[in-house]
Amino acid sequence: TQLLEQSPQFLSIQEGENLTVYCNSSSVFSSLQWYRQEPGEGPVLLVTVVTGGEVKKLKRLTFQFGDARKDSSLHITAAQPGDTGLYLCAGAPYCLFAGANSKLTFGKGITLSVRP
Amino acid sequence: DTGVSQDPRHKITKRGQNVTFRCDPISEHNRLYWYRQTLGQGPEFLTYFQNEAQLEKSRLLSDRFSAERPKGSFSTLEIQRTEQGDSAMYLCASSPGLADNQETQYFGPGTRLLVL
Repeated sequence: TQLLEQSPQFLSIQEGENLTVYCNSSSVFSSLQWYRQEPGEGPVLLVTVVTGGEVKKLKRLTFQFGDARKDSSLHITAAQPGDTGLYLCAGAPYCLFAGANSKLTFGKGITLSVRP
Repeated sequence: DTGVSQDPRHKITKRGQNVTFRCDPISEHNRLYWYRQTLGQGPEFLTYFQNEAQLEKSRLLSDRFSAERPKGSFSTLEIQRTEQGDSAMYLCASSPGLADNQETQYFGPGTRLLVL
């Protein structure tokens, strides 16, 4: 069974602070996706990382995929109240072949609160 | 709006009743997934369709659950004889399939079910 552990589970910070959160597993994934979810809504895709060691930037958000493709981090620079939400990481199975589905394994998420 | 849509957004029912949810994927997406998310947890995979064929079902999907995608477009998820433990957010996601050995899933807003 593939498990993804996210840490910390809860984070409350002041506007303008920087933060880094983590997504770890003992399993290898073909790709890792980060989503943000608002209460009562579905997850919205932020980024997909595919290559070990890959770094992707989305404005003030920086995502990194571990070299071994087992873990990922999300760094937010100068957090804003609009960044508040549940951040989910999800891994796709390592062995993808034609016809296989990539059902996602999700972590429990990180609840981020950014205070004005 | 050309995203994934789900209907209804909220459903309250009494224990023992049957409920049916609908998902309309992004046009021309041949893959469709159902997930279930309970409070404080990330989404968990339920079932997967490629076109009209249901190719995988999770062990979470008991005999009371049935899903269809009759014409390879919209999908329905039915729960018979609902139980209080079925209370959750039911999420649908669609994707265009594998590209460069990766697949991006786009989620709908979810249907929140409360069983009294």
